[in-house]
Amino acid sequence: AQSVTQLGSHVSVSEGALVLLRCNYSSSVPPYLFWYVQYPNQGLQLLLKYTSAATLVKGINGFEAEFKKSETSFHLTKPSAHMSDAAEYFCAVSGGNEKLTFGTGTRLTIIP
Amino acid sequence: DTAVSQTPKYLVTQMGNDKSIKCEQNLGHDTMYWYKQDSKKFLKIMFSYNNKELIINETVPNRFSPKSPDKAHLNLHINSLELGDSAVYFCASSQVVAGGPVWTQYFGPGTRLLVL
Repeated sequence: AQSVTQLGSHVSVSEGALVLLRCNYSSSVPPYLFWYVQYPNQGLQLLLKYTSAATLVKGINGFEAEFKKSETSFHLTKPSAHMSDAAEYFCAVSGGNEKLTFGTGTRLTIIP
Repeated sequence: DTAVSQTPKYLVTQMGNDKSIKCEQNLGHDTMYWYKQDSKKFLKIMFSYNNKELIINETVPNRFSPKSPDKAHLNLHINSLELGDSAVYFCASSQVVAGGPVWTQYFGPGTRLLVL
C-alpha cells in the first residue's frame, strides 16, 4: 500500500522567496512520485514526476523536486516565487499500477 | 484542443435525482479514471477502466456506475443523489506502456456537483 503526507496545509511565501512544499511517502514497493498543481476552479496539471531515473527532477514553471529514499521524501522547491504560483499543490504516489494516491494538498499563497 | 473534457462543468440538482457526467479524451489513451474531490480538496480515486474494462473499483456506493462505451469515453452515472455526493468529480486518462516508466495521468477540468 502507498500513502503520502503533505506537511502544512497552507504555506505563505513572499514574492521572490524560496518555495518549499513538503511531501513524505510510504510505499511497500519502489514508488513513483508526482507533483500536481491545481489553479482555482481548474483541473490538475502535472508539474513533475519521479520514475526511478534521476533523483533530482525538474518540472515546469521552474519547479524541481528531489527524491530522497533515506528520508522517504519528495519535497517540491522553486528558487523564486512568482505571484502566478499561487495554487493548490498535490503530491501523489503510485506503486507502479494504475492507482494514484494523493496527499491532502498544500495551498500556496504568495505575498506581494 | 482539449485533451480531457468533461460535461457538464456545473451540475446543481435535488436529492434523489439521477444524473450523469460525461468524459472524453482525445489523447489516444487506453486507461481512464474517475476521481472525487471533497470540500477539503482531498482527491480519491473511484474507478479506473482500461480498454473498456473495469480495473479499479474503490469502495464506492453502488449508486455510482461508470460506463465506458469505448476507450475514449468514460461516463459516470449517479442514482438517487445524496447531499454527501456534492463534490468536484475529475476524469483523467493515461497510456500504459508495457515495460516502460509509469504513466502520467492527465486530468479534465472537473464537474462541480451540488446536491440540494
